[in-house]
Amino acid sequence: EIVLTQSPGTLSLSPGQRATLSCRASQSVDDSYLVWYQQKPGQAPRLLIYGASNRAAGIPDRFRGSGSGTDFTLTISRLESEDFAVYYCQHFDTSPTWTFGLGTKVEVK
Amino acid sequence: QVTLKESGPVLVKPTETLTLTCTVSGFSLNNPRMGVIWIRQPPGKALEWLAHILPNDEQSSSTSLKSRLTISKDTSKSQVVLTMTDMDPADTATYYCARIRAYYGDGYGLDVWGQGTPVTVSS
Repeated sequence: EIVLTQSPGTLSLSPGQRATLSCRASQSVDDSYLVWYQQKPGQAPRLLIYGASNRAAGIPDRFRGSGSGTDFTLTISRLESEDFAVYYCQHFDTSPTWTFGLGTKVEVK
Repeated sequence: QVTLKESGPVLVKPTETLTLTCTVSGFSLNNPRMGVIWIRQPPGKALEWLAHILPNDEQSSSTSLKSRLTISKDTSKSQVVLTMTDMDPADTATYYCARIRAYYGDGYGLDVWGQGTPVTVSS
């Protein structure tokens, strides 16, 4: 069973700063099935990135996904006020199983 | 406009069976590039996959909960139903349904989510 480890658990940053979030898989995974979501308090998650690096419809280009194999990164180039939220990475494998990481909270410093 | 809406009881007693319905609109459950998934989130915790119907119509559920879960779809009603037996207080969570979208060459993403429905298990 694949485990996704997200780090850091909490990221304290100011608006305008760059955020770098990590998602590490316990074994090499198919990039096609690595996805990132954003969740704000009291809301459902929102799809940000699919296939490790493809922005979903309507997602601003300050969000960038990258990585392959076991190491994946979500970068927010310049944080805006609406970006403070919890971010989850997720992987689907064909066993089939959907796995989520525990999330990274991006909070205002 | 694509929407998904969960419905079901807010409160269930331990050992009871939970039945949740996801009613979709704006797309067809027959669409070969679309599926539906159920996910839950206990208060303050991470997301957990429960069950799905993939775009290719394959159905499956979480290994750890498999014996308790059933997923089915009624295309004519545009509904996907999840049942979970033998409910326990540890099953208290917000339950979401979401659309699985198959992207050409780039796997799946959960691109539209319902608002979620809170379920409390308590006597």
